[in-house]
Amino acid sequence: AQTVTQSQPEMSVQEAETVTLSCTYDTSESDYYLFWYKQPPSRQMILVIRQEAYKQQNATENRFSVNFQKAAKSFSLKISDSQLGDAAMYFCAYIYDDMRFGAGTRLTVKP
Amino acid sequence: NAGVTQTPKFRVLKTGQSMTLLCAQDMNHEYMYWYRQDPGMGLRLIHYSVGEGTTAKGEVPDGYNVSRLKKQNFLLGLESAAPSQTSVYFCASSSGGHETQYFGPGTRLLVL
Repeated sequence: AQTVTQSQPEMSVQEAETVTLSCTYDTSESDYYLFWYKQPPSRQMILVIRQEAYKQQNATENRFSVNFQKAAKSFSLKISDSQLGDAAMYFCAYIYDDMRFGAGTRLTVKP
Repeated sequence: NAGVTQTPKFRVLKTGQSMTLLCAQDMNHEYMYWYRQDPGMGLRLIHYSVGEGTTAKGEVPDGYNVSRLKKQNFLLGLESAAPSQTSVYFCASSSGGHETQYFGPGTRLLVL
């Protein structure tokens, strides 16, 4: 069964600094999709970024970018110029047949 | 365009009671999903549907049933609630199996 591991239960970053959240996954498949979702205190799940495994180029969305290392089965999220509104739980997710989520990383942004 | 909506937002049940959670989407999505979120465990897939009239089991289906009689609605039923089903339940929808899933606001369920 596919598993997704987020090894950092909590992370903190100073406002305007950069932080990287880690995610690793286990799969024997070659074509799959990876996601980072953000869950603020409102509980709403919000898509941050999406990566297709067959694409070598790392996905970027404004201040958010990923470092996708397919051979290492690693999918980390980099948040640049961190803002107070970035404070949330961040979930890494993998989908092939169905979506599997990691346990999440709680990000605190210090002013 | 409301996206994905869920009713109710919060519910308290006694052990053994039954209830149905309703999910509705107005994006004409084929795929719909039900997840539960427990502390420290992320989201886990309960059941999903790839189209009207179809349902399939996810990672944790026991104790739940679902129905997709209309494309826009996906119902999650608990026939005999147990304290272990205390959780936050999320519905999601997507246009395809590998496409981005859009989530509802969640339903908090407490089973006493």
